[in-house]
Amino acid sequence: EAGVTQSPTHLIKTRGQQATLRCSPISGHTSVYWYQQALGLGLQFLLWYDEGEERNRGNFPPRFSGRQFPNYSSELNVNALELEDSALYLCASSLGQGNYNEQFFGPGTRLTVL
Amino acid sequence: QQPVQSPQAVILREGEDAVINCSSSKALYSVHWYRQKHGEAPVFLMILLKGGEQKGHDKISASFNEKKQQSSLYLTASQLSYSGTYFCGTEGGNDYKLSFGAGTTVTVRA
Repeated sequence: EAGVTQSPTHLIKTRGQQATLRCSPISGHTSVYWYQQALGLGLQFLLWYDEGEERNRGNFPPRFSGRQFPNYSSELNVNALELEDSALYLCASSLGQGNYNEQFFGPGTRLTVL
Repeated sequence: QQPVQSPQAVILREGEDAVINCSSSKALYSVHWYRQKHGEAPVFLMILLKGGEQKGHDKISASFNEKKQQSSLYLTASQLSYSGTYFCGTEGGNDYKLSFGAGTTVTVRA
């Protein structure tokens, strides 16, 4: 069974640009979560999508947005990139609503903002 | 609000035990534990729901004290494969939003 996949593996952008990160969940999983992992700061919750709807978001500005497609894959968009957006962005999927289901993480996209 | 993990780092010899603590300033609904090895994605270890239950995963176990708003992860008879950074994720209400601690780096040496 294929795991969670993310693309691209690495992304280099300059300040002010926009970045688009993609995630494909495990087959059968309807929930997708996005996390930011900056150096030394652990995992910061960004967004949660389930059945195509945004269910919850973390304490991030509106320039962080995303969507979930009918096939449950998801996209994270970061507009007006700032240097501090440089981080590893992890996507996770789970079977459905609720945290009683374990989250399976993808390998991440390393975003570097110059 | 982000839970606080302690210690930040611990170095063990194979066979030694260790405890990692996770504390929250607010009431907890559930606690999740993950391990991340360098350059890899975090891997799920276990979930504990309020009720003070204890769970185990091989020789790694955890407890959850909802009154104290804390959870502890116990590494027993550590193996080299236990090396990595351990994160606790806490849910403060029925909102399915996890807040993760900064992590505890565990190094197990032969």
